[in-house]
This record gives sequence, C-alpha cells and structure tokens, in this order.
Amino acid sequence: TQLLEQSPQFLSIQEGENLTVYCNSSSVFSSLQWYRQEPGEGPVLLVTVVTGGEVKKLKRLTFQFGDARKDSSLHITAAQPGDTGLYLCAGAASGTYKYIFGTGTRLKVLA
Amino acid sequence: SQTIHQWPATLVQPVGSPLSLECTVEGTSNPNLYWYRQAAGRGLQLLFYSVGIGQISSEVPQNLSASRPQDRQFILSSKKLLLSDSGFYLCAWTLLADLTDTQYFGPGTRLTVL
Repeated sequence: TQLLEQSPQFLSIQEGENLTVYCNSSSVFSSLQWYRQEPGEGPVLLVTVVTGGEVKKLKRLTFQFGDARKDSSLHITAAQPGDTGLYLCAGAASGTYKYIFGTGTRLKVLA
Repeated sequence: SQTIHQWPATLVQPVGSPLSLECTVEGTSNPNLYWYRQAAGRGLQLLFYSVGIGQISSEVPQNLSASRPQDRQFILSSKKLLLSDSGFYLCAWTLLADLTDTQYFGPGTRLTVL
C-alpha cells in the first residue's frame, strides 16, 4: 500500500518567517502534486513535479521532488497570513489512475 | 471552460438512512472521475474512481457504492448510512490519461450522520 506522510501536521508561525513542509513515502511515484485547501472548499493545485530532483518556484513557494521520487518538500519564504490553509501533497500511483493523498499540514500564519 | 458541480452542499442524515450524492462535469468529455472523503483537517481518502461509463474501481470496502450512468455524471450512494460515514465528500476530475494532469475538485458535500 502506498502512503504519503506529511510533517509537521500543524504549524503556527509569525508573518515573515520561513517554513518547510515535508511529504515522505517509501514508494516511488510517477509524479507528485501539491495542493492548498481553504475550509469548506476543494483543494486547488499549486504545482506538479515529475522529474527526480526537480525544483519549481511559485513566487515565495519552492517545491522540490526527491531524486528517487519518493519524497517532496514545500518551502515558503517570508510567510504571509494569506498562506494560511491546509497543504496537501498527492502522488500518482504507478500503473493506475489513482492519486494517493498525504496526511495534510495545517498552516496558520499570524499577522 | 470546464466546471464541476456537486450537490447537495450540506446534508444531515440519520443513521440507517440512504444516501445519494451527485457530481457532474461540464465542458469536457471522457474525464476520469474520483470520489474522495476527507476527515476534518486531514488528507483525502480515495473511495472510488472511474475511467469511463459503467467502469468503477473501489478502493475501500464499505457500505458505499458509486455509479457512472453518463460520461460526465458520477454518483455516490449508500443503502444504510453509518455514523462513520460523516465527512466532507469531494468529487474530482482529470482529463488526460496522464497522472501529471491537474485534478480539479468540486465544492464538496458536508455530510453529517446523526
């Protein structure tokens, strides 16, 4: 069974601080996606990484896919209150049309 | 542009009652469709997915079932709800047979079983 563990589960920081969220698995994924979800809404895609070692930047967010395609990280620089939300990673399960979601990281950025 | 609808938005049902949640997609053809359940503040649990009409893959054994009577319609059902069925139900679609494609999520249905 393919599982994705995210850490930390909860994170509360002050505006302007940096943070990193991790997404780890013992399985290899063909691609990995990061989503952000607001309360009462569906998740919205932030980025998809496909190649081992790939790094993508989206303004203050930096995403990295591990060399072995088993893990990923999301780094936020100078966090802002608007970054508050639930961050989810999702891996594409090999040989199927399934996506395996991580356990989630709830981020709160205080002004 | 593509749009995904879910209804109802909120539902409160007694234990043992039936359930029917509907998801429809507009503006695309032959999408892959997914049903997920989410506990509060947690990740998404894949319940069912479908790559075509009448084709349903079940991920978890439970008292829920899914059907795809039309290309862009995906229905989640139960004959008798359990307390543990409470949660936030999300429908999603992807267009390509390519797991790098974006999943687009519906607005969700908040189900409370009492």
